Amino acid sequence: GQNIDQPTEMTATEGAIVQINCTYQTSGFNGLFWYQQHAGEAPTFLSYNVLDGLEEKGRFSSFLSRSKGYSYLLLKELQMKDSASYLCAVRSLDNYGQNFVFGPGTRLSVLP
Amino acid sequence: DGGITQSPKYLFRKEGQNVTLSCEQNLNHDAMYWYRQDPGQGLRLIYYSQIVNDFQKGDIAEGYSVSREKKESFPLTVTSAQKNPTAFYLCASGPFGSGNTIYFGEGSWLTVV
Repeated sequence: GQNIDQPTEMTATEGAIVQINCTYQTSGFNGLFWYQQHAGEAPTFLSYNVLDGLEEKGRFSSFLSRSKGYSYLLLKELQMKDSASYLCAVRSLDNYGQNFVFGPGTRLSVLP
Repeated sequence: DGGITQSPKYLFRKEGQNVTLSCEQNLNHDAMYWYRQDPGQGLRLIYYSQIVNDFQKGDIAEGYSVSREKKESFPLTVTSAQKNPTAFYLCASGPFGSGNTIYFGEGSWLTVV
């Protein structure tokens, strides 16, 4: 089976940096994805890691350690519009094909 | 426009009725997925399909059924056997291959009345 864990809620201040952690256990690991979801809307893709290390995309960076089953999403220069849920998802390859399993999501509140 | 279209956006169902949620994509993606999201929760996988005429159960398939008769279409039926169907339903699709994400439709809100 697969298990993905994230903190339920986080709060940070506008202009600050926040790190959202994700731990996972899975077989057939084939990539870790981060999505942003505003309330009542569909998730949108933020970042992707398949190899160990840091991937940077503007104000967002994501890190992966496959040996530790661990990833984090780093948000810099926080803005009010960053208040949303952040979903960690693992793609794995099973006997059928590729499967995307999502974590419970972390609800981030950015305060002025 | 290219993308994933879900319909209806809002649907009300009486207890004991079956309802079907539509999902169409014109992105030529092979893989399609259905997820359910309850308020304040993450996404849970209902069914997924990699090719036409084939699909697999996800973690919460009981009470749901799907079909994949065409590459671009993956409708989800919520049957009367699903005891608590009120939720936000998301359809997604994506190409095969490492590095490829999946893309979501706008979602369908189902409420049992």
